[in-house]
Amino acid sequence: DTAVSQTPKYLVTQMGNDKSIKCEQNLGHDTMYWYKQDSKKFLKIMFSYNNKELIINETVPNRFSPKSPDKAHLNLHINSLELGDSAVYFCASSQAGGPGETQYFGPGTRLLVL
Amino acid sequence: TQLLEQSPQFLSIQEGENLTVYCNSSSVFSSLQWYRQEPGEGPVLLVTVVTGGEVKKLKRLTFQFGDARKDSSLHITAAQPGDTGLYLCAGRSNSGYALNFGKGTSLLVTP
Repeated sequence: DTAVSQTPKYLVTQMGNDKSIKCEQNLGHDTMYWYKQDSKKFLKIMFSYNNKELIINETVPNRFSPKSPDKAHLNLHINSLELGDSAVYFCASSQAGGPGETQYFGPGTRLLVL
Repeated sequence: TQLLEQSPQFLSIQEGENLTVYCNSSSVFSSLQWYRQEPGEGPVLLVTVVTGGEVKKLKRLTFQFGDARKDSSLHITAAQPGDTGLYLCAGRSNSGYALNFGKGTSLLVTP
């Protein structure tokens, strides 16, 4: 069973389009995250939700809107896609609290904006 | 954002060699984690260090957290091709949830 799953794995789209990436975790965790990994492999936090509430919102354009319908899901919707949005997007989850908690990452969604 | 600097950025060695990867910051972290990421996959946690000066061993991998909790190192003994991957350090601030990642060390071990 996959612990953290993301769909789609690959996403190729035109500039200006709107797209969504879905994430689901079956670990029973309270907290979910979205990260962006650029072409230089730098992994940067975008958002974090704890029990469906937004707790981290880094400096991300408001074209990016996370939505958490329940604790097990955190989707990412992107409006008006730009070339610079091309990257690998990772969803992760953890059981909240404590400096030693483990984040479990999904396999990533490779977004290419043409 | 608390910055973590990793060095070296790239490392190519032969099977059987030893290597050390460094992770440095000017900030204090409540904990520091090391992840390994293989091509086409998400990062996977290797270890968490919490106490200043702490040393943890995972088979041929030795992790150390600096006394001041600002830096860490990963030492691999007798590297094997299966160790190839991107090694990422990540620090958790005292504020809680956020993980700040270093830019990674890309390791290639050739037979």
